[in-house]
Amino acid sequence: GAGVSQSPSNKVTEKGKDVELRCDPISGHTALYWYRQRLGQGLEFLIYFQGNSAPDKSGLPSDRFSAERTGESVSTLTIQRTQQEDSAVYLCASSPSGPLEQYFGPGTRLTVT
Amino acid sequence: EDQVTQSPEALRLQEGESSSLNCSYTVSGLRGLFWYRQDPGKGPEFLFTLYSAGEEKEKERLKATLTKKESFLHITAPKPEDSATYLCAVQGHTGGFKTIFGAGTRLFVKA
Repeated sequence: GAGVSQSPSNKVTEKGKDVELRCDPISGHTALYWYRQRLGQGLEFLIYFQGNSAPDKSGLPSDRFSAERTGESVSTLTIQRTQQEDSAVYLCASSPSGPLEQYFGPGTRLTVT
Repeated sequence: EDQVTQSPEALRLQEGESSSLNCSYTVSGLRGLFWYRQDPGKGPEFLFTLYSAGEEKEKERLKATLTKKESFLHITAPKPEDSATYLCAVQGHTGGFKTIFGAGTRLFVKA
């Protein structure tokens, strides 16, 4: 079956511009996570969605970051007024339920110039 | 605060040379400890979930074990295709479903 997909695969933007990253989870997966991975580093938790519950936004680094998810489908991560330190790979993962294994997409590589 | 520390940062092995990767963790009530494999330019691939101390799981040349403070990923007779970054992660009962990842161990296996 289809795995987690993310788009775009690469995004180059100028400092100060807004960007929107998209994640299509595996069908039927109720949980969805966003992570940031800087070069050579581990994954940094950003936000978690579980069904219709309020999302866990505790990992968002600033109010420039926001994410939405409609039901158990597509999610978008928006970064406003991008800064060079936002350059990273943004990974999305979905899970059949919260405490189980996560299935990751290929990531979106964001470069802020 | 939940924390995960992995060691070593990098490990170079000859093909067939068995070794272990370490994951030390601090968490308020372990919900689950996870091991993932990540190849360059790709998202992590799930390997194992461990839930309680004493639990062990195996998959091909990999075996994961868990104590109350750490987990080991044992690699038996590795092959060059086992070269990757191995990531350890935890979820605690008090952190919702927030998952904390370690920085990973980069494994290089030479033929």
